[in-house]
Amino acid sequence: KAGVTQTPRYLIKTRGQQVTLSCSPISGHRSVSWYQQTPGQGLQFLFEYFSETQRNKGNFPGRFSGRQFSNSRSEMNVSTLELGDSALYLCASSLELAGVYNEQFFGPGTRLTVL
Amino acid sequence: KQEVTQIPAALSVPEGENLVLNCSFTDSAIYNLQWFRQDPGKGLTSLLLIQSSQREQTSGRLNASLDKSSGRSTLYIAASQPGDSATYLCAVINGGSQGNLIFGKGTKLSVKP
Repeated sequence: KAGVTQTPRYLIKTRGQQVTLSCSPISGHRSVSWYQQTPGQGLQFLFEYFSETQRNKGNFPGRFSGRQFSNSRSEMNVSTLELGDSALYLCASSLELAGVYNEQFFGPGTRLTVL
Repeated sequence: KQEVTQIPAALSVPEGENLVLNCSFTDSAIYNLQWFRQDPGKGLTSLLLIQSSQREQTSGRLNASLDKSSGRSTLYIAASQPGDSATYLCAVINGGSQGNLIFGKGTKLSVKP
């Protein structure tokens, strides 16, 4: 079974631009979460989607948004990029059955550099 | 607000040693706890998941324990190898917050040959 995939793997953008990152979960997983990892703040939760609905949201500004499609693939968008948005963005998927939430499996991440 | 702490921040041991990594959390109302390893510049690899009703989980040379009442978890690595060198992260999910893993800052492990 294929793991979680993320595209692109690397991105370089300039301040003020916007960016879209993509995540394909493990087949059958309907929960997709996004995280930002920086050396200073560590791993921080952005948001989680389940069956195309945002179920939970972290403490990030509205410039960070996401969505999930009917095939469970997810995208996150960052508008008006700032230097501080440079980070590794990680996506994770999880199988949730009968209300039981199971372990999260992570993709390789997208390394975003904002110049 | 849930906070997760991992001590020590870094650890260096000779090959073959058994070692313990520590994780503590401030709110005992967790749904589950998960241990990960991360190699430099890579994503996270799930090692073990412990549901809140469980006390421990084992996988090969790894054993993780959970004591909810004291807000602690330990990851025991037996007979360490150079390939175990990585950063180990502990994360919890609070009840009602599916998908929201709250992470510690990790323990960077170096196993010397």
